[in-house]
Amino acid sequence: QLQLQESGPGLVKPSETLSLTCTVSGGSISSTSYYWGWIRQPPGKGLEWIGSIYYSGTTYHNPSLKSRVTISVDTSKNQFSLKLNSVTAADTAVYYCARHGSGSRDWFDPWGQGTLVSVSS
Amino acid sequence: DIQMTQSPSSLSASVGDRVTITCRASQSIANFLNWYQQKPGKVPKVLIYAASSLRSGVPSRFSGSGSGTDFTLTISSLQPEDFATYYCQQSYSTPYTFGQGTKLEIK
Repeated sequence: QLQLQESGPGLVKPSETLSLTCTVSGGSISSTSYYWGWIRQPPGKGLEWIGSIYYSGTTYHNPSLKSRVTISVDTSKNQFSLKLNSVTAADTAVYYCARHGSGSRDWFDPWGQGTLVSVSS
Repeated sequence: DIQMTQSPSSLSASVGDRVTITCRASQSIANFLNWYQQKPGKVPKVLIYAASSLRSGVPSRFSGSGSGTDFTLTISSLQPEDFATYYCQQSYSTPYTFGQGTKLEIK
């Protein structure tokens, strides 16, 4: 059974870089059928897609976050990572990683358990 | 970006009720529409994909319909475990976008 697990600091200072890693177990991140994505949810609010990566390194990200986002993949470790720079309080959220497909099979499933990242000095 | 608008934003209903939640896209998305359920403190879970396909393991009281810009999620007979927040999400084009959510509460 495929499982995803986010890891990283729970507290980041304003203007610094948020860094998270998602470890995939029970399956290969190098599957040609899937993409690997990041989604966030501010406390009490809705869901926002941050971006996704294919095992080859091809990335797609949300233009709303402009050039602050970097997503990378390490197939040798079965992990993918998120970096969000120049964070502010508005970036405080639960960050989820999730797998998704493409075309007619494009939905987020499964999800990691999520990790709360707070931006505060 | 494709905007997804859900209605209502909140809804009170009783066990056994039939409930319908609507999701409207700002442009046609064919059937590239998914529905998720999220309970407090829990991870979103996909219920319906491709507008009307029931995810394996999801109770048959859940159903989805629609295409183009207008979609609905229907729960035929509410059960206590169905009280949660529901989100639609379009997968037609990036950036993927979600509706603002519909909170389903017990009356």
